[in-house]
Formats: sequence, structure tokens, C-alpha cells
Amino acid sequence: SQKIEQNSEALNIQEGKTATLTCNYTNYSPAYLQWYRQDPGRGPVFLLLIRENEKEKRKERLKVTFDTTLKQSLFHITASQPADSATYLCALGRGTGFQKLVFGTGTRLLVSP
Amino acid sequence: DVKVTQSSRYLVKRTGEKVFLECVQDMDHENMFWYRQDPGLGLRLIYFSYDVKMKEKGDIPEGYSVSREKKERFSLILESASTNQTSMYLCASSLPGGGEETQYFGPGTRLLVL
Repeated sequence: SQKIEQNSEALNIQEGKTATLTCNYTNYSPAYLQWYRQDPGRGPVFLLLIRENEKEKRKERLKVTFDTTLKQSLFHITASQPADSATYLCALGRGTGFQKLVFGTGTRLLVSP
Repeated sequence: DVKVTQSSRYLVKRTGEKVFLECVQDMDHENMFWYRQDPGLGLRLIYFSYDVKMKEKGDIPEGYSVSREKKERFSLILESASTNQTSMYLCASSLPGGGEETQYFGPGTRLLVL
């Protein structure tokens, strides 16, 4: 069955460092992958999308990579700030037919001052 | 800005009650979704709709039904609430298209069934 794995343990880093979050998947061939941010008690908010034919995507301090051979996406936040503390979800989509996303369970990021 | 609103942030209901969760979006999106989110299980799709009066089952539709009488409104119905339906319920909407569309989420409704 399809499986999307994100590290269930919280990631603790110091302010100013680069945070790297991982999304691994099995039994799935996504056409694209999205990353969302979720704050406590709130709905997820879209951050970035990367397609299967793209290796890397950047947006300000965010960078996403997508390796379809390793079946893995990495999400980086450079120069992290305490305000980046949140849970980050990856979501995979097939790109054909009706758009249905399959979400990972998310990784909580804690950035200490 | 797209806005997705949900009728309640918190709800407490009794086992066996009929529960209505309402979701409204203001961006004329065709697609709407209902998810539940539980610790360790992530977001799971209950039902979705790609047009008025159209609905499709998601991954966990058992015990739920939906209604979409108007484009902007998508309702989730728990016909007879049970304790295992205690969860965070999230509504989302998106434009139709080639399948990459961003989903816009509401703030969520935290439902407790006693």
C-alpha cells in the first residue's frame, strides 16, 4: 500500500541554522509534491510545489528537492527563525484525473532563539 | 486572499447525535474536500466534491455523508456520532485543472464526541 513517511520526532534547531525535513514515499509514483505548513489549531497553508521533472525549487529562505529515484523530498529552511516553528506536511499528487493529495503525518520543527 | 471558513472551531456532541459541519469558501472554487486529522495518522480524506451536487468517497467515508447544494458550501454530516469520530476536521477547496492545484484549508473544527 502507499506509504508516506515523515519523521515523527520533532526537529529542534538553533536560530540561524538550516532546518532539513525529509519526506519519503513507497508504492507511489507522484507527478508532483507539495509542502504545507501547519500551526497549532490551524489548517495547513501551502508553501511550495515541485514537479517530478524538477530537481529543486526555491522560494525565499525555502528550498525543496525531489529525487524520484530515491523516492524522497527534502525541505530546507535556511537562516531559520523562531517564527518558523510549526509542523510541516508533505503531500503527493498524481497529476492526472481528479486532484487528490495524499498527505504525510508531518514533522514538527522547533527553532530556539 | 482565498478564505475558507468552518462553522465552528470547537464542538462537543453526544454519542448518537447527528452532527453537521459546515464549510464555506469565497473564491468560486469547484473542488472541495473534507479531511480528518488524527495524531500519528495525518490528514485522511473523507469525501470530496468537484461540482455542485457531485460527491465522491475518499479514503475513510464510513460513518459520514456530505452535501453540496451550492458551489461555495460543502457540508459534512455525521449521521450518528460515535466516540471514534472525535477528531480535528478540516475543509479545503481548490480550483479545477491539471491536478497540481493548491488546496486552501479552513481553520478546522475540533469535535469531541462523548
